[in-house]
Amino acid sequence: RKEVEQDPGPFNVPEGATVAFNCTYSNSASQSFFWYRQDCRKEPKLLMSVYSSGNEDGRFTAQLNRASQYISLLIRDSKLSDSATYLCVVNFLNDYKLSFGAGTTVTVRA
Amino acid sequence: DTGVSQNPRHKITKRGQNVTFRCDPISEHNRLYWYRQTLGQGPEFLTYFQNEAQLEKSRLLSDRFSAERPKGSFSTLEIQRTEQGDSAMYLCAVGQGSTEAFFGQGTRLTVV
Repeated sequence: RKEVEQDPGPFNVPEGATVAFNCTYSNSASQSFFWYRQDCRKEPKLLMSVYSSGNEDGRFTAQLNRASQYISLLIRDSKLSDSATYLCVVNFLNDYKLSFGAGTTVTVRA
Repeated sequence: DTGVSQNPRHKITKRGQNVTFRCDPISEHNRLYWYRQTLGQGPEFLTYFQNEAQLEKSRLLSDRFSAERPKGSFSTLEIQRTEQGDSAMYLCAVGQGSTEAFFGQGTRLTVV
């Protein structure tokens, strides 16, 4: 079983729609969680950290569910520029590395 | 500006040749990572440095791969006797303090 799993999508949504997707992680001893965004043939860029209480950054909302071992990302009022691959990232306790999921592709259409 | 410069941006090499990539953080970062990414996959961890100490290496990293960070600033990743399966994007990421990391633009390697 992979350490971090994501629904690859693609999620095709019209402009203005809300889209949400999850990521599950295998190790309950996880301490830090992030969402990164990656555009085609570019490097991953940090979108937001995910906090235990859930957090919001503009149109983006991230939630953490430790009991069920998943994190979620919700994008409201989708823009064409939100089209990208969203990578779920987990740092496990006593582990130096950041573990990445394979990504969820979102395509926003006009 | 990602705060991390990687060179070269692209590299085409013949199978069996050695290649070396360089990662230069623009400012001081105690944490430095190397990742590899192939199409349709997330970045795959290769190795981690804290200052000049290499603290973790992926079990997937064969003995043809070696990385250094001699003065705790820039880092190099060398691949010896390249194989076609080594073709990928090689990404360097840095961090300071908290766990998040920031990536350079990567070096795209093509082995022919």
